[in-house]
Amino acid sequence: EDQVTQSPEALRLQEGESSSLNCSYTVSGLRGLFWYRQDPGKGPEFLFTLYSAGEEKEKERLKATLTKKESFLHITAPKPEDSATYLCAANSGGYQKVTFGTGTKLQVIP
Amino acid sequence: DVKVTQSSRYLVKRTGEKVFLECVQDMDHENMFWYRQDPGLGLRLIYFSYDVKMKEKGDIPEGYSVSREKKERFSLILESASTNQTSMYLCASSPGTLHIQYFGAGTRLSVL
Repeated sequence: EDQVTQSPEALRLQEGESSSLNCSYTVSGLRGLFWYRQDPGKGPEFLFTLYSAGEEKEKERLKATLTKKESFLHITAPKPEDSATYLCAANSGGYQKVTFGTGTKLQVIP
Repeated sequence: DVKVTQSSRYLVKRTGEKVFLECVQDMDHENMFWYRQDPGLGLRLIYFSYDVKMKEKGDIPEGYSVSREKKERFSLILESASTNQTSMYLCASSPGTLHIQYFGAGTRLSVL
């Protein structure tokens, strides 16, 4: 059974304090690893897709990396507007089978 | 801009009622999905559809059915609502091969 585990469950940072979120996955034949951002009361919003180990993608203060067992979302010098829940998801096997993690709730304090 | 619209943000229903949740996408995507999101459990796939009138069960289809009569519209039906179906329901769509999913804002359903 495919599994995606995110840690920590919650993270509180001071503005400007860089950190990383972890996503560990156990899937049969990874086709893609996705990161989404979800604000309270809203649906998830797509951030990145990573397809192979060693790949990196960046967007503003966020950088996502991928190894054969896990992915990291690095947040550099975060701002309060980066506060949200970040979801990781893995696509494997069947055509549209995507397994989501339970998310990391990030709070950035001014 | 990509847009997935869910017909209601909040719904309150009684146990045993038949409930319809509607989702419309304007991107001509082949694939559409229904998830429920519960604290500590993450997003769980209920059903998905890869074409008009086609559907596949997800991980938790029990107690739910779906309908896709037009490409842009995907409906989730709770035949007889129960209290354990109280949840946030999220609809998503994706183009054929990219697997990136675009989500609606969600419907928070309370079954009393």
